[in-house]
Parts: sequence; structure tokens; C-alpha cells
Amino acid sequence: GQQVMQIPQYQHVQEGEDFTTYCNSSTTLSNIQWYKQRPGGHPVFLIQLVKSGEVKKQKRLTFQFGEAKKNSSLHITATQTTDVGTYFCAGPESGGYQKVTFGTGTKLQVIP
Amino acid sequence: DSGVTQTPKHLITATGQRVTLRCSPRSGDLSVYWYQQSLDQGLQFLIQYYNGEERAKGNILERFSAQQFPDLHSELNLSSLELGDSALYFCASSAGRTNAFYNEQFFGPGTRLTVL
Repeated sequence: GQQVMQIPQYQHVQEGEDFTTYCNSSTTLSNIQWYKQRPGGHPVFLIQLVKSGEVKKQKRLTFQFGEAKKNSSLHITATQTTDVGTYFCAGPESGGYQKVTFGTGTKLQVIP
Repeated sequence: DSGVTQTPKHLITATGQRVTLRCSPRSGDLSVYWYQQSLDQGLQFLIQYYNGEERAKGNILERFSAQQFPDLHSELNLSSLELGDSALYFCASSAGRTNAFYNEQFFGPGTRLTVL
């Protein structure tokens, strides 16, 4: 079945440093969504990417969808303590958009 | 507040028992998804309902079942519980006229199940 891996699994950064998490799928994705889960909280939708090579920005966050639609990345510039949490990517297989697979997640810790 | 409600918030039960988790989606959302999140683990997709019909199945055990009622609320039934079923169970809902995963999912606060 489809597997979606994220690296790194954990990341500790000093406040102000940049952070990147990578999402890799074993199969081509129709689209990809990113979610953030704060400690003790529930996942919250961040963004969706649909087109091959698409890049979207939200303030300090930059999201990219790979040309082959099998990978994606989330980059945070100048991290803040409010960025702490686990970041998940999620996507359905291309053509089989009913079954969703979430990535393994990257847990970000920001040291003030 | 996502607008998705889940009850109960916490549930403690014994092995072999059966429990029912309840989810009310956001007003107007037709799709309901159920996920299982074990300690420090990712989200495992269990099942999706769209307007009362089952649309997609993930890694849902045969001991688990779900349904979506005419008022669009959903219930997840877990039976013959085992220690390994202890987890956080999330419900999410999404809008849209189709069942495609093209819409933002709104997650509820979750139900923490502890099986002793």
C-alpha cells in the first residue's frame, strides 16, 4: 500500500533558525495537504497543493509540491516558539483519492 | 474551535469491552473521517463516510465499525477491546459535494481511549 514518510522525525532548532520538513510518498499523489498539531491538540489544516511544482507561501511558511507529485516540503523561516508542534503531510493516491494516507510527521521543538 | 464535536473526551474501559465514540461534523459538512493516533504516532486513517454512505476504508480492524446517521453525525464502535487499542481517536469533517480529498478537513478535539 501507499506509504508516506517524513524526515526528519524530530527537529530541535534555536528560535530564529530555519526549519524544513520533507514528505515523500511511495506513489504519485493527486494533491497534498499539510496539517499542524500542537502538543495536546488536534490537527489543523495549513494548506493544500494540487499542481505539479506548485509553491505556496503563508507568511514565514513556504510549501512546495514536487514535479513528480511524489514529494513535498514545508520550510519555516526564522522559527518562533509558536511554531512548536508536529507537522503532517497527507494525500490520496492519484486516481484513488478516497483513501488518505498521513505522513509519519515531523515534531518540531523550538528553543527560546 | 473547529466546529466538530466529539464525545466523550476521555474513556477508560477494560479489555474485551465495547465502546462507542460519537462525532458531530461541522454544520453542512457531508464527509466524516475517523482516525486513530497512538502515542507519539502518526494518524492512521480508519474509515470515511459521505452523506451516510461508506466511501473509503483504511486500516480499520474487523472489530471496529462505524456508521453515519441521517443527521450526519457518526459513531465509531470498537468491540473486543485490546490493550493495543488505547489511542486518541479523531473525527474530522469536510465540505464539498463529492467525497474527494480536495477539501480541508476540520478535526474534532478527539476521544482518548484507555484500555486497561
